[in-house]
Amino acid sequence: DIQMTQSPASLSASLGETVTIQCRASEDIYSGLAWYQQKPGKSPQLLIYGASSLQDGVPSRFSGSGSGTQYSLKISSMQTEDEGVYFCQQGLKYPYTFGAGTKLELK
Amino acid sequence: QIQLVQSGPELKKPGESVKISCKASGYTFTDYAMNWVKQAPGNGLKWMGWINTQTGKPTYADDFKQRFVFSLETSASTAYLQINNLNIEDTATYFCTRGFITTVVTLFDYWGQGVMVTVSS
Repeated sequence: DIQMTQSPASLSASLGETVTIQCRASEDIYSGLAWYQQKPGKSPQLLIYGASSLQDGVPSRFSGSGSGTQYSLKISSMQTEDEGVYFCQQGLKYPYTFGAGTKLELK
Repeated sequence: QIQLVQSGPELKKPGESVKISCKASGYTFTDYAMNWVKQAPGNGLKWMGWINTQTGKPTYADDFKQRFVFSLETSASTAYLQINNLNIEDTATYFCTRGFITTVVTLFDYWGQGVMVTVSS
């Protein structure tokens, strides 16, 4: 199975601060990476796919980058509504696997 | 608009079975695969597998090959997850999610609201 390792496990950021979350795959996933945001008691929502493509309706302050085994999600200006848990997911090989999540809180 | 609406919470005893539904609307049901994802309390997300909505053929991840059954009622645009012989470790929220394929990569673009299944004696 492809292991997805996220870092950090948690972080806090101030309003307007830039936030970066990392995701490392145990093998090359050829940009087959998606990012999701999950708020408490809600289902995950797709933010980024193909490592860097923004899903329709997602604010432009979210961006994704990376290739091979290393990927990152950036929030350019932290907002209150960005609090939640962020997961990366590889969709290249069975079984599809998720990172353990990064909990983002407002400082 | 596209929606996946799941059935309500379940409280079951060990050894019992449960069947969860996921009704799709706002798109052609058979154009997209339906996937199932497990989230145990306080834990991350685990992909359980998917069902081909055109053929009804299920594909299960290794940890979900024994007691789990995916099925369809295509005329009702509904997918089902049945879990047999429930045990405490099955206590979790179960999500259905639409599988969207770009090039050769699968991602999950719409999600149901989740069904909390609690297994307790």
